[in-house]
Amino acid sequence: SAVISQKPSRDICQRGTSLTIQCQVDSQVTMMFWYRQQPGQSLTLIATANQGSEATYESGFVIDKFPISRPNLTFSTLTVSNMSPEDSSIYLCSVVRAGYEAFFGQGTRLTVV
Amino acid sequence: DQQVKQNSPSLSVQEGRISILNCDYTNSMFDYFLWYKKYPAEGPTFLISISSIKDKNEDGRFTVFLNKSAKHLSLHIVPSQPGDSAVYFCAASERGNTPLVFGKGTRLSVIA
Repeated sequence: SAVISQKPSRDICQRGTSLTIQCQVDSQVTMMFWYRQQPGQSLTLIATANQGSEATYESGFVIDKFPISRPNLTFSTLTVSNMSPEDSSIYLCSVVRAGYEAFFGQGTRLTVV
Repeated sequence: DQQVKQNSPSLSVQEGRISILNCDYTNSMFDYFLWYKKYPAEGPTFLISISSIKDKNEDGRFTVFLNKSAKHLSLHIVPSQPGDSAVYFCAASERGNTPLVFGKGTRLSVIA
């Protein structure tokens, strides 16, 4: 298994501001994934964070809105920039072990007012 | 287009009875399927998985069935317990070390 510490666990933010979410893994991993779960929706992949290179973003997500850092093999951050109420979601970081099985942080519940 | 579909947003079952959660997929390249359980304010936790070379995998009270021709899988929980009440996500992977594709989840309520 993998232990993933994610913080903050929740936040209420003013529109137009930015929030940075941190994710710390207990061991080195090549790729880390950032997901978003909007109310009543599935977990949607935002981007794949690779150490030493730029993150790879999925369709509908852009670096200016969701900049990602991956300074080493155990840590990553996701920033939600210039927030609007539509960004209110649960944000989750994830790593894959043993080829397929994904492990998740506890999530960050973001409310934008 | 959703590649993994869970068409039942919610399910209520009496304690001790069987819970059956269903999942359909469209991508024939998926070769590994997983079920995750999520409690409020927690991240999803892995429950059980199945490779496309199998049609059944059992782990205690949990059994996953895969019907490749129908592109359908199901999770059976028997007997259901109140602590099983959670949101269950079906997920699929096309190959190892790639991000999972998730369904929207089914909220299971086990009533005592």
